Amino acid sequence: GDSVTQMEGPVTLSEEAFLTINCTYTATGYPSLFWYVQYPGEGLQLLLKATKADDKGSNKGFEATYRKETTSFHLEKGSVQVSDSAVYFCALSDRADSWGKFQFGAGTQVVVTP
Amino acid sequence: DAGITQSPRHKVTETGTPVTLRCHQTENHRYMYWYRQDPGHGLRLIHYSYGVKDTDKGEVSDGYSVSRSKTEDFLLTLESATSSQTSVYFCAISEISGRALDTQYFGPGTRLTVL
Repeated sequence: GDSVTQMEGPVTLSEEAFLTINCTYTATGYPSLFWYVQYPGEGLQLLLKATKADDKGSNKGFEATYRKETTSFHLEKGSVQVSDSAVYFCALSDRADSWGKFQFGAGTQVVVTP
Repeated sequence: DAGITQSPRHKVTETGTPVTLRCHQTENHRYMYWYRQDPGHGLRLIHYSYGVKDTDKGEVSDGYSVSRSKTEDFLLTLESATSSQTSVYFCAISEISGRALDTQYFGPGTRLTVL
């Protein structure tokens, strides 16, 4: 079945550093891919998404490109801020498998220090 | 922000008592979900619904039941709460877009403590 694997955290880095969170997936069909962010005490919020191969999603300085050849959707940000400290989840939805469900990665905690 | 509310937001209850959590949406989305989130386990799907009166089990459905009598409301019931059901519960909604499900929108969560 479909699955999502993302790098384990916590990831700790200094303000203005470059952030990469790796995400790879397995899917039987042509999934849509998502990154969600969860701040402490809150629900998950959509950060960005991509619905087909080579699409790039972007929002708030974050970017991720849908790479079908490497089945990846890595999240990047060029210069993080303390306010980016949160847990980030990679997810997919795939019509061909588990119709009606999303698959989530385990989440990666990011801690940005001043 | 998507119009999703959850009630109650916090609840403390005792082992063996029934508990019902409510999710209400104003987006008219067909799909609704209940997840639980626990440290070290990420998000786990409990039940989901793909229409009024149409529901299906997720990966951790034991001990939980759901009902959806209206498009806008999705209820999660713990028939006899146990301490292992202490968790944060999230409701989510989604709709079909083209060939796949589109973005899931999440509610603010309900923190449930079973003593």
